[in-house]
Amino acid sequence: ETGVTQTPRHLVMGMTNKKSLKCEQHLGHNAMYWYKQSAKKPLELMFVYSLEERVENNSVPSRFSPECPNSSHLFLHLHTLQPEDSALYLCASSQGPGVSRPGELFFGEGSRLTVL
Amino acid sequence: GQQLNQSPQSMFIQEGEDVSMNCTSSSIFNTWLWYKQDPGEGPVLLIALYKAGELTSNGRLTAQFGITRKDSFLNISASIPSDVGIYFCAGGGTDKLIFGTGTRLQVFP
Repeated sequence: ETGVTQTPRHLVMGMTNKKSLKCEQHLGHNAMYWYKQSAKKPLELMFVYSLEERVENNSVPSRFSPECPNSSHLFLHLHTLQPEDSALYLCASSQGPGVSRPGELFFGEGSRLTVL
Repeated sequence: GQQLNQSPQSMFIQEGEDVSMNCTSSSIFNTWLWYKQDPGEGPVLLIALYKAGELTSNGRLTAQFGITRKDSFLNISASIPSDVGIYFCAGGGTDKLIFGTGTRLQVFP
């Protein structure tokens, strides 16, 4: 139990569906992240929110839409995805900017997405 | 962009053996971190390094921040079956982490 919870753990969707991934952190952190993990590739940073403000959008297609309503919750809204978007989507949190030990990310267990 | 070269890609070892893996980069990093990912789980932080030359241990794990700030290694001593998983290095700059491609470790009894 890392203190970061992701739902659903598994999701299968068609290319015309709309779905959302949810992440919740119970660590009192100020920053939250979405990463994409595909086979045999490094973890790819998608979005970063710090104090509920988006500070990074790593050239992610608009069919992925993040939402951060407060510092404990993060969503990734999905619509009209492609089969190549199938991957493990990982949420992470960290203390945020201006801390003494930057970069220490705490990951959730991931949401395994399959796009048919 | 910044890239990390992590090696080896995979290792198959016998229980009790020691393991060594490393990451190198052409860029300088301020932070090196090592994560482990078990099947079906997210990565879990093992060791964080913040100073060039720093050597840190966590049980049977030892990691070092290279003096040039461009590399790091992770050693696991006396491996056990639960060490199985994928180990990732990550280099940190001022605002983001760059992850390696991972080392997949298999331990046979």
